[in-house]
Amino acid sequence: QQQVKQSPQSLIVQKGGISIINCAYENTAFDYFPWYQQFPGKGPALLIAIRPDVSEKKEGRFTISFNKSAKQFSLHIMDSQPGDSATYFCAASSFGNEKLTFGTGTRLTIIP
Amino acid sequence: NAGVTQTPKFRVLKTGQSMTLLCAQDMNHEYMYWYRQDPGMGLRLIHYSVGEGTTAKGEVPDGYNVSRLKKQNFLLGLESAAPSQTSVYFCASSYGGDNTEAFFGQGTRLTVV
Repeated sequence: QQQVKQSPQSLIVQKGGISIINCAYENTAFDYFPWYQQFPGKGPALLIAIRPDVSEKKEGRFTISFNKSAKQFSLHIMDSQPGDSATYFCAASSFGNEKLTFGTGTRLTIIP
Repeated sequence: NAGVTQTPKFRVLKTGQSMTLLCAQDMNHEYMYWYRQDPGMGLRLIHYSVGEGTTAKGEVPDGYNVSRLKKQNFLLGLESAAPSQTSVYFCASSYGGDNTEAFFGQGTRLTVV
């Protein structure tokens, strides 16, 4: 039973392009939606997070778009750079039950 | 400031052997977690703890045990290792409550042959 579904599994984007990764969730109690970035041989690290009281959050080249009615959220990476090549995980949790439920991950490769 | 430290970083076990993975955090976090990462399956929660002396089952707890005798340490035990437990194991910690950012260790790559 997968509560957070992530797509695509892998993504190749040209340098300077926009990378888009999508996630959908089932549990309406979720109220915290982070994205984690993982480089090979390292542990995941928080990239950006959103709560459902806003529909968008932007930090530099990274934007989360959130659609509460559709139970979907997505990560947009603008002006993608080779250094953005990593695996990205979406996740969700609810207040009082702070266990993060992760998506299956997206391996992003930025090509010159 | 070390953050979350996992030991060992690599280990090869024979089927039926036992071992303990150690996680230590120096951020005074209440919550600690053990995840396993497998290709195409993301990060799956094995066990977690909401404070010293407490433990709870996650999504895939079978074959594992945990202990949190001290707030800064969270131990993951495999009593009788099986090839299906070949994976990369990550420990994480967080403050909990409204501050839910989880900090991860560098991982332990375990191979069971």
